[in-house]
Amino acid sequence: EVQLLESGGGLVQPGGSLRLSCAASGFTFSSHVMSWVRQAPGKGLEWVSAISASGDTTYYAGSVKGRFTISRDNSKNTLFLQINSLRAEDTAVYYCAKPNLEYQLLSVYFDYWGQGSLVTVSS
Amino acid sequence: DIQMTQSPSSLSASVGDRVTITCRASQSISNYLNWYQQKPGKAPKSLIYAASSLQSGVPSRFSGSGSGTDFTLIISTLQPEDFATYYCQQSYSTPQTFGQGTKVEIK
Repeated sequence: EVQLLESGGGLVQPGGSLRLSCAASGFTFSSHVMSWVRQAPGKGLEWVSAISASGDTTYYAGSVKGRFTISRDNSKNTLFLQINSLRAEDTAVYYCAKPNLEYQLLSVYFDYWGQGSLVTVSS
Repeated sequence: DIQMTQSPSSLSASVGDRVTITCRASQSISNYLNWYQQKPGKAPKSLIYAASSLQSGVPSRFSGSGSGTDFTLIISTLQPEDFATYYCQQSYSTPQTFGQGTKVEIK
């Protein structure tokens, strides 16, 4: 059974940092591009970032480029999102998401999602 | 970035109604269009992929169509468990943008 379990969220002050983790199981993690998608309270879904299966290529939404860093540890089946210089508008539930096909960033859909990790940016 | 625009943003419908939600892309995305259902407090769930392919386990009352820039999600006979928010998403190019969502409420 595929499972994605996020952790690391919490309350942080503006300008602070946080590192989210997503522990994956039930599939060949090292063969899949992985993504982070966020959802601000009462708002829609926003794709944030993705990382290639090997970890050597990363992709970011313009709204987070330069502040967020995606990475992965294939030996531990874990995806990470380092979030720096946090702003109030980064307050959201952050989901990790798995695509249906191996090695592909595009032409896929997200067939599994984690339960989400809430990040709240407030003083 | 490709902009995805859904309409309507919300709708009220009764059990048994036929519901149609549209999604328009700001440029052609071929058939790289996915639909998700989200209920409050839960992660999104895949419904339709590649514009018209039904995800395994999803009831056949859900269907999708379209290509290029215009897409449609239809719920043929609305059931109580279908009251939720629906999102389209393009996977043609990065960033993989979502529509703003359509909330289906009980009339």
